[in-house]
Amino acid sequence: SQELEQSPQSLIVQEGKNLTINCTSSKTLYGLYWYKQKYGEGLIFLMMLQKGGEEKSHEKITAKLDEKKQQSSLHITASQPSHAGIYLCGAGASGGSYIPTFGRGTSLIVHP
Amino acid sequence: GAGVSQSPSNKVTEKGKDVELRCDPISGHTALYWYRQRLGQGLEFLIYFQGNSAPDKSGLPSDRFSAERTGESVSTLTIQRTQQEDSAVYLCASSLYSGILQETQYFGPGTRLLVL
Repeated sequence: SQELEQSPQSLIVQEGKNLTINCTSSKTLYGLYWYKQKYGEGLIFLMMLQKGGEEKSHEKITAKLDEKKQQSSLHITASQPSHAGIYLCGAGASGGSYIPTFGRGTSLIVHP
Repeated sequence: GAGVSQSPSNKVTEKGKDVELRCDPISGHTALYWYRQRLGQGLEFLIYFQGNSAPDKSGLPSDRFSAERTGESVSTLTIQRTQQEDSAVYLCASSLYSGILQETQYFGPGTRLLVL
């Protein structure tokens, strides 16, 4: 089965700093989702990447998909306290399985 | 409604009691998923429905867990004889289809279950 490993597991940054979260797959990535989970709440869909080399941005959050490395990165520019939460990457069903796979999440704290 | 809804939002129960969790998916979404998220851990897949049938029940932790879906809409997850290790957030998600390689899942806010 496909496994997704996220790094780092947790991150504490000062407001205004840039940061990057990585998601590496054990198998070829045909596409990947990024979600954000605020503490004590459900998951909020951020963006989906489908094509190798694809890059998408939403406000100050940019995500890239590198198929060759079987990796995706999420970059936040000029972080704000509102960016705090748990970021999860997920991959859709593949290889005949209908079960999607998720990373364990990266916990982000932004100090004002 | 516009999104996936779940009820109750919080549930406190005594060990040994049965609980029933409800999920209302986005209208028209044929696929529905249940996940469990224990404190500080990732998402644990439990079961998914394609329409009203559940092709894969392998993620259910034990025979105390069961789920059903009716009318290709509402789904209920039932936990019988709850144990303290069942305490977790139970998340429901729906997507337009399943079996398609990339299909965005939309999540509900979750039900926080605490078994005393």
